Amino acid sequence: GEDVEQSLFLSVREGDSSVINCTYTDSSSTYLYWYKQEPGAGLQLLTYIFSNMDMKQDQRLTVLLNKKDKHLSLRIADTQTGDSAIYFCAESILSNDYKLSFGAGTTVTVRA
Amino acid sequence: GAVVSQHPSWVICKSGTSVKIECRSLDFQATTMFWYRQFPKQSLMLMATSNEGSKATYEQGVEKDKFLINHASLTLSTLTVTSAHPEDSSFYICSARGPNSGTYAYNEQFFGPGTRLTVL
Repeated sequence: GEDVEQSLFLSVREGDSSVINCTYTDSSSTYLYWYKQEPGAGLQLLTYIFSNMDMKQDQRLTVLLNKKDKHLSLRIADTQTGDSAIYFCAESILSNDYKLSFGAGTTVTVRA
Repeated sequence: GAVVSQHPSWVICKSGTSVKIECRSLDFQATTMFWYRQFPKQSLMLMATSNEGSKATYEQGVEKDKFLINHASLTLSTLTVTSAHPEDSSFYICSARGPNSGTYAYNEQFFGPGTRLTVL
């Protein structure tokens, strides 16, 4: 299956770290992605991780992948008001021609 | 690089009319483009895969006669919502599969800004 699940909401104080979690069911995932969507806009790719990696860091973003538990997380350090958005986890698998399957999205609200 | 545009960004039409949405890859050639639909506060649902020079592949439950897709060139795909009804009102997003080179992830998709369709 290609189900991707995320928690729906996260509220975080400015300056704190945010952690968004995602679980997926297909163990043959090749790439796992995190996208950001601001109101009324399309999706912006934040980062991605290949399924043979455990961790990837890119400036304030850290992606952790636990293949055994099929769990993916995105940590945003020093969260800013501009980080308020919807964050989508997505996976792509070879058997589905690398089409993207998205989670429902986590709405992150950053409060002052 | 790897910019995708959509036109129009929003459209309001009367029930029964047809609406065409364009998706363009501005600085790269895309043999494959995708059309998604997004309902308020929900995820993206893949509608169809558009391949240049061939017929689109529709996901289960998507009416191909209702949502006509044409991918006539390597930089342009169009989605036409025929005989639109209020239940077709949604946010339509396209993406283009980018070049498998450089810093891009394999089969990475680049998304357009979306088109808000409202059918009265």
